[in-house]
Amino acid sequence: DTEVTQTPKHLVMGMTNKKSLKCEQHMGHRAMYWYKQKAKKPPELMFVYSYEKLSINESVPSRFSPECPNSSLLNLHLHALQPEDSALYLCASSPEGTNTGELFFGEGSRLTVL
Amino acid sequence: GQQLNQSPQSMFIQEGEDVSMNCTSSSIFNTWLWYKQDPGEGPVLLIALYKAGELTSNGRLTAQFGITRKDSFLNISASIPSDVGIYFCAGQRYKLIFGSGTRLLVRP
Repeated sequence: DTEVTQTPKHLVMGMTNKKSLKCEQHMGHRAMYWYKQKAKKPPELMFVYSYEKLSINESVPSRFSPECPNSSLLNLHLHALQPEDSALYLCASSPEGTNTGELFFGEGSRLTVL
Repeated sequence: GQQLNQSPQSMFIQEGEDVSMNCTSSSIFNTWLWYKQDPGEGPVLLIALYKAGELTSNGRLTAQFGITRKDSFLNISASIPSDVGIYFCAGQRYKLIFGSGTRLLVRP
């Protein structure tokens, strides 16, 4: 199994809603990532978990709250988002911690905030 | 902060043509990588380079890690229609930084 699975694929939410994005990998990878990608732009790093501990937070607003319940799962909790937060949210994992750059990406969750 | 300048931004290809793109930075990186992203999907790793001067091939793809550790190029030989997509360079030091991308389009 060499996949990173993200759910849901599409999400529409209002600015007062609370929702979560989920990511799962069963490759035994010990680092997991959240990236945000706007249209026609490169992915931008949001958070990195290494061995289930948050190791990098790229000054992301607190309305985005990551969680890593175990080494296979990564969640991104969303609350009180703004329309400009609409984007493709990509989850990724890597096999050897956070230093290789060799990431396996999921297909992404496309978020629309109304 | 660290930035990667990737060029060209976009280019048209005709089947059978060779394609080149490159990435430069003012910062040194330990690893250079090239990813491809198709519409509706996440990026997929094509090639990873670990040493300055390294030249690596993956089928019709060839990439090099610049001697100064501040640049890399990717060549695609004998392009085919499925090569269309967005190619991102990426540099890894303390974290992974992506270039702005090169969009390959089919020449009408």
